[in-house]
Amino acid sequence: AQKITQTQPGMFVQEKEAVTLDCTYDTSDPSYGLFWYKQPSSGEMIFLIYQGSYDQQNATEGRYSLNFQKARKSANLVISASQLGDSAMYFCAMRLLINAGGTSYGKLTFGQGTILTVHP
Amino acid sequence: EAGVAQSPRYKIIEKRQSVAFWCNPISGHATLYWYQQILGQGPKLLIQFQNNGVVDDSQLPKDRFSAERLKGVDSTLKIQPAKLEDSAVYLCASSYRRPETQYFGPGTRLLVL
Repeated sequence: AQKITQTQPGMFVQEKEAVTLDCTYDTSDPSYGLFWYKQPSSGEMIFLIYQGSYDQQNATEGRYSLNFQKARKSANLVISASQLGDSAMYFCAMRLLINAGGTSYGKLTFGQGTILTVHP
Repeated sequence: EAGVAQSPRYKIIEKRQSVAFWCNPISGHATLYWYQQILGQGPKLLIQFQNNGVVDDSQLPKDRFSAERLKGVDSTLKIQPAKLEDSAVYLCASSYRRPETQYFGPGTRLLVL
């Protein structure tokens, strides 16, 4: 069964320090995509970073990097130099390709989320 | 580029009433998604459209929920009649066919009393 797990309900970090948010996934499909989204208290889901299962290099986007360990089925998000504005809920999500009724499409499944609090 | 637009932002209704949500995706995005997010949980896909057609509605409670996407652009999600457990944030997202990165709207917070 396809599953995505975030084991840390909450994390705390001091401003300007780095923090790692854990994400593990389970799928037997060789082709998949992994996403991280940020959800501030305003409610909007903000796309942060994407890693494809065949990508050789770890994805990076500014202060965000994805520590992709395929053999361990983990896709941890690393935020460097934390800022107060990074305080939010963070979701890991996995996209799988579904073939049904002659149509193929990607379907996203989200983890339970991790609340990150950045202290001044 | 304008983002995904949703309205209303907030809605409070009594149980057994009906409610409708509207979504306008990013221009040119062929795929549109509706998610339900219960407090403290990750979003759950309700329905996914590719242009006008439904590609996945496996988790849509079809006895009370319905959705349509006319002309492959705007979409509406309706609940009739609403139950207490429908209290949630309803998120709309859109994406190109390739790549499939989903971009989300601000959501509609529904409270059913």
